[in-house]
Amino acid sequence: DTAVSQTPKYLVTQMGNDKSIKCEQNLGHDTMYWYKQDSKKFLKIMFSYNNKELIINETVPNRFSPKSPDKAHLNLHINSLELGDSAVYFCASSRQAGGRADTQYFGPGTRLTVL
Amino acid sequence: LAKTTQPISMDSYEGQEVNITCSHNNIATNDYITWYQQFPSQGPRFIIQGYKTKVTNEVASLFIPADRKSSTLSLPRVSLSDTAVYYCLVVGAGSYQLTFGKGTKLSVIP
Repeated sequence: DTAVSQTPKYLVTQMGNDKSIKCEQNLGHDTMYWYKQDSKKFLKIMFSYNNKELIINETVPNRFSPKSPDKAHLNLHINSLELGDSAVYFCASSRQAGGRADTQYFGPGTRLTVL
Repeated sequence: LAKTTQPISMDSYEGQEVNITCSHNNIATNDYITWYQQFPSQGPRFIIQGYKTKVTNEVASLFIPADRKSSTLSLPRVSLSDTAVYYCLVVGAGSYQLTFGKGTKLSVIP
């Protein structure tokens, strides 16, 4: 069974369009994340939700809006897509440990190409 | 967040032991050292985590000296399938945030 899944795996779209990427985890975790990995392979956190509450919101254009309908899902909606948004987007999840730093489980990624 | 420094790339022959060292001079008392592995076209995968001395699991060993300002990930007898990027991270206890550096690209040669 897939622990963290993302759809779609590939997304090719035109500049100016609006698109969404969906993420689901079946691990029973409380916390979910979105990361962006650019062409230089740097992996940067964008958002994190804990039990549907936003807890991390890094400096990301407000064209990006995360939505968590329940703690098993965290979707990423992107408005007015730009060329610079082309990247691989990874979803991840972790338990809410509160003690030692917790392992994050990553999805397979969504490769977004903006033309 | 403690910054980490690790080699950009390493080459190794199959069957050899590979040691990747990471420096984290400003690690805090509550921080843990965590390593992730990323294969091409996949998300990062947790390998090992430690606080001090030595930790071993079925995949790797992690050596942490007493001052905790560095750590070494040891991969025994690597195979071609170990070709990946390895990230060293310093993570605060109870912290949600992972800060990935550039990682070390390990290439295993037949």
